[in-house]
Amino acid sequence: DAGVIQSPRHEVTEMGQEVTLRCKPISGHDYLFWYRQTMMRGLELLIYFNNNVPIDDSGMPEDRFSAKMPNASFSTLKIQPSEPRDSAVYFCASSRLYEQYFGPGTRLTVT
Amino acid sequence: AQSVTQPDIHITVSEGASLELRCNYSYGATPYLFWYVQSPGQGLQLLLKYFSGDTLVQGIKGFEAEFKRSQSSFNLRKPSVHWSDAAEYFCAGEVEGGYQKVTFGTGTKLQVIP
Repeated sequence: DAGVIQSPRHEVTEMGQEVTLRCKPISGHDYLFWYRQTMMRGLELLIYFNNNVPIDDSGMPEDRFSAKMPNASFSTLKIQPSEPRDSAVYFCASSRLYEQYFGPGTRLTVT
Repeated sequence: AQSVTQPDIHITVSEGASLELRCNYSYGATPYLFWYVQSPGQGLQLLLKYFSGDTLVQGIKGFEAEFKRSQSSFNLRKPSVHWSDAAEYFCAGEVEGGYQKVTFGTGTKLQVIP
C-alpha cells in the first residue's frame, strides 16, 4: 500500500491566489481528516469526512477554506483567497477503526 | 472535558538510556488512547494504541505504553533510546461521540545526545 498521498508537497503562492491541496486516502479507509500544523497553534483539525460526507467542519477557520470529497479515493482542501497567515503544513489522514494514517503533508507558504 | 495533556514540551536523553514520556488524560470512561511520532518533515506515524484489555501495550520500534486508570496516565516508554528516536511524540485520545475524531496533545520533542 502506498499510504496516504498528498500533492503538492510544497506550494509557494502569493497572497490572494487560490490554493488547492489534494489527498488520496488509503483504500478501504472510511474516514478522512484534514489538519493544519503550525509552531504557534500546533496540530489543528480542520474538517473530516465519513464515507465522503463531511461530519464536522467546525475547525475550518474561515469561509475562505473549503473541502470536498467527491469520491472515496480523493479529497481537496481549497483556500481562496490565500493569506500569509495560512502558511502552515497541511496534513491529510485517513482511518479505519480509529487508527489514523497521515500523509507526508503539504508545506504551504503564502507571501 | 475530554483531553490529553503532555506536560513535557522538550526532553533530552542520552543514547542508550531509558525513556518515559508522560501523557495524562481527562475522560469520564476509559478512552481509546494512542501515541504518534513525527520525524522532521514527516507526517505523524502511529506507534501504538490502547482500546481495552491488557494495560501494557506494545508498539512499533520497541516502544510500549502502560494505561494506568488510577493515575489517568498513558505513558510511553522505551528501555534503550537510539539516536533515530529523536522526533516529536504526540499522545492522542478519542473524542467520545466524535465519529473516530481524536484530540492530540501538544507534543513532546525528544532530543537524543551521544
